[in-house]
Amino acid sequence: AQTVTQSQPEMSVQEAETVTLSCTYDTSESNYYLFWYKQPPSRQMILVIRQEAYKQQNATENRFSVNFQKAAKSFSLKISDSQLGDTAMYFCALISGTYKYIFGTGTRLKVLA
Amino acid sequence: NAGVTQTPKFQVLKTGQSMTLQCAQDMNHNSMYWYRQDPGMGLRLIYYSASEGTTDKGEVPNGYNVSRLNKREFSLRLESAAPSQTSVYFCASSESAPEQFFGPGTRLTVL
Repeated sequence: AQTVTQSQPEMSVQEAETVTLSCTYDTSESNYYLFWYKQPPSRQMILVIRQEAYKQQNATENRFSVNFQKAAKSFSLKISDSQLGDTAMYFCALISGTYKYIFGTGTRLKVLA
Repeated sequence: NAGVTQTPKFQVLKTGQSMTLQCAQDMNHNSMYWYRQDPGMGLRLIYYSASEGTTDKGEVPNGYNVSRLNKREFSLRLESAAPSQTSVYFCASSESAPEQFFGPGTRLTVL
């Protein structure tokens, strides 16, 4: 069975600081994708960043980057220069095979002014 | 281009009532999905439709039915609502790329 684990239910960070959200996963598939989604209070699910398992290079999108450790099955999200608008729930997700997402339970991030 | 739309945004039902949640996408995607989101549980797949005319069960299908009306529309029906179905429901769609695009969600309360 595939699993995604987010062990940090809540985190906080000062504005302009850097924060890292953790995610570990388990899958027996060799071809899979990993994602981070952001869910602000509006409830809309917004794709933040994606990583293909076959790519060794870590994905980066502006202030968001990942640390993908394939052997350790770890996929953490780093947010640099945190902004108040980054306050949200963040979900880690895994897809393989039939394109059905497996989501983690989420990390609630609060950016403090 | 509205993406994925869902109606209604909010709904309150009494136990035993039925209702249908509507979802439509204008991105010409083949695959569509229904999820429920409960506190502390993340999103869990209820049903999905890989293409027009096909539907399959996901992780938590009990108490729900779906209809893929056409390529654009995928509805979720609760025949006899129960308090355990109080949740936020999300519809999503995807094409060949693995990203799924989500609607704004429907908050359903069953009393």
